[in-house]
Amino acid sequence: AQKITQTQPGMFVQEKEAVTLDCTYDTSDQSYGLFWYKQPSSGEMIFLIYQGSYDEQNATEGRYSLNFQKARKSANLVISASQLGDSAMYFCAMREGTSGTYKYIFGTGTRLKVLA
Amino acid sequence: EAGVTQFPSHSVIEKGQTVTLRCDPISGHDNLYWYRRVMGKEIKFLLHFVKESKQDESGMPNNRFLAERTGGTYSTLKVQPAELEDSGVYFCASSPRDDFVRQREQYFGPGTRLTVT
Repeated sequence: AQKITQTQPGMFVQEKEAVTLDCTYDTSDQSYGLFWYKQPSSGEMIFLIYQGSYDEQNATEGRYSLNFQKARKSANLVISASQLGDSAMYFCAMREGTSGTYKYIFGTGTRLKVLA
Repeated sequence: EAGVTQFPSHSVIEKGQTVTLRCDPISGHDNLYWYRRVMGKEIKFLLHFVKESKQDESGMPNNRFLAERTGGTYSTLKVQPAELEDSGVYFCASSPRDDFVRQREQYFGPGTRLTVT
């Protein structure tokens, strides 16, 4: 069954340091997309980064990078130079299916706390 | 450009009552999704509209939940009658018509927190 697993319910990181949030996935599809979303205390879900299953390069968006290891089915989010504003809930998600029939599956999330 | 909006932001109702949640997607977005997050658990897919048609409603928990998207614009999700286990945060998301370039992300609304007592 298709599934996203985030094994870290909570993480702490010192300000200005880098942190890796783990995500593993399980799918039998060849074509899929992986996403990370941030949910601050205000509740909105903010899109951070996307990795396609056929993308050869790891995705990067500013301080966010996605460590995509296809053979291991992992898509870890790396946040460099953590800031206090990075404290939030982070969700890994997978989109699978074909155009018009996409389905999105989310993990349980990791709560990140950045320490001053 | 206005984002996805949801109303109400918070609803507290008693078991057995009816509640209707509303989602206004980003203008022009054909795809509209409903999700639910129960406390401490993963965000679960409920259903997917393409314009006014239900593309996939495999995640709807039971027939107490009814979603509509008349005219392909805003969508409503009605829970009738509500049960205690329906409590959670209901998210709506929209995305543009699927194409190779723009099929990447969904745009989420702020969610509606539903509490059934």
